[in-house]
Amino acid sequence: GQQVMQIPQYQHVQEGEDFTTYCNSSTTLSNIQWYKQRPGGHPVFLIQLVKSGEVKKQKRLTFQFGEAKKNSSLHITATQTTDVGTYFCAGPTSGTYKYIFGTGTRLKVLA
Amino acid sequence: DAGVIQSPRHEVTEMGQEVTLRCKPISGHDYLFWYRQTMMRGLELLIYFNNNVPIDDSGMPEDRFSAKMPNASFSTLKIQPSEPRDSAVYFCASSLDVGKNTEAFFGQGTRLTVV
Repeated sequence: GQQVMQIPQYQHVQEGEDFTTYCNSSTTLSNIQWYKQRPGGHPVFLIQLVKSGEVKKQKRLTFQFGEAKKNSSLHITATQTTDVGTYFCAGPTSGTYKYIFGTGTRLKVLA
Repeated sequence: DAGVIQSPRHEVTEMGQEVTLRCKPISGHDYLFWYRQTMMRGLELLIYFNNNVPIDDSGMPEDRFSAKMPNASFSTLKIQPSEPRDSAVYFCASSLDVGKNTEAFFGQGTRLTVV
């Protein structure tokens, strides 16, 4: 079945450093979503990418969808302590609305 | 809108007991999803509904699990009988229209502990 993997699994950074998480799907995706889950919280939608090669920015966050629509990345510039949490990508199984979540990258920011 | 509402927030039960988790989706949302989150397996989709009809329940782990959506504003996930390995956080999420805008809104989750 479809698998969505993320690397790294964990990342500790000093406040102010940059951070990137990578998402790889075993199948081509019609779109990809990114969510953030704070410790003890629930996933919160960040963004959806649809087009091949698409790049979107939200303040310090930059999201990219690969040309082949099988991978994606999230880059955070100059991390802050408020960025702490687990970042998930999610993509739909082909022809369905069944979103498979990635394994997640847990970010810790050291002040 | 209050968002997706789940109850209870925490549940501790003994092995063998029946557990019922409840969810109220955001009004007007056509899709409802039940997810389970554990350290070992991450976020797994158990089942999803479209307009109260179950569309895909292939993620439901065993016959001990069942889900219903009797109307557009209420869904339940039942585990009978419960086992310790069912301990997890169960999330309910809803989407307005899984077409162009497929953003899923998650509830606060129910933390289930089966002892």
